[in-house]
Amino acid sequence: RKEVEQDPGPFNVPEGATVAFNCTYSNSASQSFFWYRQDCRKEPKLLMSVYSSGNEDGRFTAQLNRASQYISLLIRDSKLSDSATYLCVVSPFYNQGGKLIFGQGTELSVKP
Amino acid sequence: DTGVSQDPRHKITKRGQNVTFRCDPISEHNRLYWYRQTLGQGPEFLTYFQNEAQLEKSRLLSDRFSAERPKGSFSTLEIQRTEQGDSAMYLCASSSGASPYTEAFFGQGTRLTVV
Repeated sequence: RKEVEQDPGPFNVPEGATVAFNCTYSNSASQSFFWYRQDCRKEPKLLMSVYSSGNEDGRFTAQLNRASQYISLLIRDSKLSDSATYLCVVSPFYNQGGKLIFGQGTELSVKP
Repeated sequence: DTGVSQDPRHKITKRGQNVTFRCDPISEHNRLYWYRQTLGQGPEFLTYFQNEAQLEKSRLLSDRFSAERPKGSFSTLEIQRTEQGDSAMYLCASSSGASPYTEAFFGQGTRLTVV
C-alpha cells in the first residue's frame, strides 16, 4: 500500500463547477499535511497547508480527518487557470526529518 | 533569482555512463531534498539533508545513487552506471524547516534521459 493515495484522475469539469479531491495516508503519526499544485512540465508549488481545524483560502477549502487519515481539497467556482495536477503531501515525524511524501497526483482539466 | 536552481536542466546520456546533477537551494534554507518524478506519478523521495548531514536515504535508492552536501549549501546527486530506468525528472527542494508547516520550494528540475 502506498503511503499517500489519491483519487485517480483525470477530472474534467466545466468552468464554474465545484470539484473535490480526496487523499488517504497510511502513517497515523504524520504531523503535517499539504496540497501542492503542479502545472504541466513545471515544478510543484505549495497551494495550501491543511490544518486540523480545516482551512479556507478563497475558493479553496482543505479538510483533515486524523481519525480516518483522510485529507480533502474542495475547489469552488473552478477557473480555466485551475487546470493542473494536485498533489496531496504528508510529512511524518517533523522533528526527525520533515521529509515530504507525495501522492501520485490528480489531474484536473477545467473546460470552457 | 533567489529561488532553488538546478543544473543542468536537461541531460541525455548513454546507458552505463555516470551523471552528476547540482542543486543550489535558497541561501538561508538548511533542509534540502532530492526527489525523482516520472510521468503520471508524484515526486518520489530519494534523500534529505539538514545542513551537511544526510539524514535519510530512501530504501528504493540503489547503491548507484549518491548525494552530497559538503558545506551545507549546494548539493550534488550522482548516478553511476546509468540504466534506462533512471530516466526521470530529478527535483531538488529546500526549506528552512522553521515549523512543521514550512513550505518547501522546488527547483525546475533536471530531466535525465538514458539512451
